[in-house]
Amino acid sequence: QQPVQSPQAVILREGEDAVINCSSSKALYSVHWYRQKHGEAPVFLMILLKGGEQKGHDKISASFNEKKQQSSLYLTASQLSYSGTYFCGTQRGFNAGNMLTFGGGTRLMVKP
Amino acid sequence: GAVVSQHPSWVICKSGTSVKIECRSLDFQATTMFWYRQFPKQSLMLMATSNEGSKATYEQGVEKDKFLINHASLTLSTLTVTSAHPEDSSFYICSARDWTGAITDTNSPLHFGNGTRLTVT
Repeated sequence: QQPVQSPQAVILREGEDAVINCSSSKALYSVHWYRQKHGEAPVFLMILLKGGEQKGHDKISASFNEKKQQSSLYLTASQLSYSGTYFCGTQRGFNAGNMLTFGGGTRLMVKP
Repeated sequence: GAVVSQHPSWVICKSGTSVKIECRSLDFQATTMFWYRQFPKQSLMLMATSNEGSKATYEQGVEKDKFLINHASLTLSTLTVTSAHPEDSSFYICSARDWTGAITDTNSPLHFGNGTRLTVT
């Protein structure tokens, strides 16, 4: 089942914050976050495995709720380089052969 | 870091012809590779899971006779689009995990190739 991402698109001014949500109807094993620039491959941002987990790097962070059905990606003090489409990829089972199912994506545009 | 190389980056072919796309893991072994297709402004949709030394697992609605997958070695998977039609025009991306055999491999990120933009005229 494809996770539901929201919002579908967001436009920010440089320095503003944004939150992107990813929801599943069933508990997940893990959530991955990727950013894709136009015409390029997705680039890995982070993975969350534990309910209640929060982690981040620089000004990009993410959380995974206790029930492991929702994850949020937080972009603070956005930079122009943050523009792109963000995808969450979810994994239901504990198996390296289990693929990631991606959400519909959130298009983020940061303007000067 | 782990690198996945995908070739070609783009290809234009005529309707009815076949196109082969290669996906290589350059500095790690991948017993499993994943092939995704992405239409403009849409999400990554899994087409099939490529398994080294065995048959690929196709997602529902993906024609296995049209999208032939071969995973002959631990570092190479190929996707062949047979008898291509204009509706097959899309962005095809392969990905793989760095598989060491450890139980934690499933926690590692997917490494993506740069994708192949296929245009069928």
